[in-house]
Amino acid sequence: DAGITQSPRHKVTETGTPVTLRCHQTENHRYMYWYRQDPGHGLRLIHYSYGVKDTDKGEVSDGYSVSRSKTEDFLLTLESATSSQTSVYFCAISELLTSSYEQYFGPGTRLTVT
Amino acid sequence: KNQVEQSPQSLIILEGKNCTLQCNYTVSPFSNLRWYKQDTGRGPVSLTIMTFSENTKSNGRYTATLDADTKQSSLHITASQLSDSASYICVVSGGYGQNFVFGPGTRLSVLP
Repeated sequence: DAGITQSPRHKVTETGTPVTLRCHQTENHRYMYWYRQDPGHGLRLIHYSYGVKDTDKGEVSDGYSVSRSKTEDFLLTLESATSSQTSVYFCAISELLTSSYEQYFGPGTRLTVT
Repeated sequence: KNQVEQSPQSLIILEGKNCTLQCNYTVSPFSNLRWYKQDTGRGPVSLTIMTFSENTKSNGRYTATLDADTKQSSLHITASQLSDSASYICVVSGGYGQNFVFGPGTRLSVLP
């Protein structure tokens, strides 16, 4: 998984509680991404980062926030978890922000909101 | 609306057989098309990437084709192995930035 770790790998939480997922990379890549993957849907971009403290919204950003205080860490926070946020979350990294770059994915975090 | 569709949704074949997976897209403008393999419980791993000017790209037993005129791509797997059991995802990029459109994937099961 190209030097990318995600924690936790599995989490069950209750509706209304805050949740933070962590992505850590050892590749020193500039760009980092958070996706969610749901049955019947393709991977959908939540937020991405193009540098320390530089982030932008993706296709499905409502209800999520991110932070990147160091090159190697990208945090995804669900401010108040809802059942619709039950999903598998993937972090990805890349070096160049062009469409031909290689994108490497982490192992994923399975989140269940009850 | 930019969309990527894949067919079939799932496929079961016997070990040693060949198979072809399909991808149709409506993403515009078009920059490149990638095929990823995703094993159960793991993140996607890139198999091939093709730009507008390429119509065939191989990676071992995997061969991807692209017809930019009809906006179709296929992934052909030759002499399938049990380890080919996975989901195969087609991703189309519309240019610079974050315009990556992921297909829902095809779930392939290879049986002994």
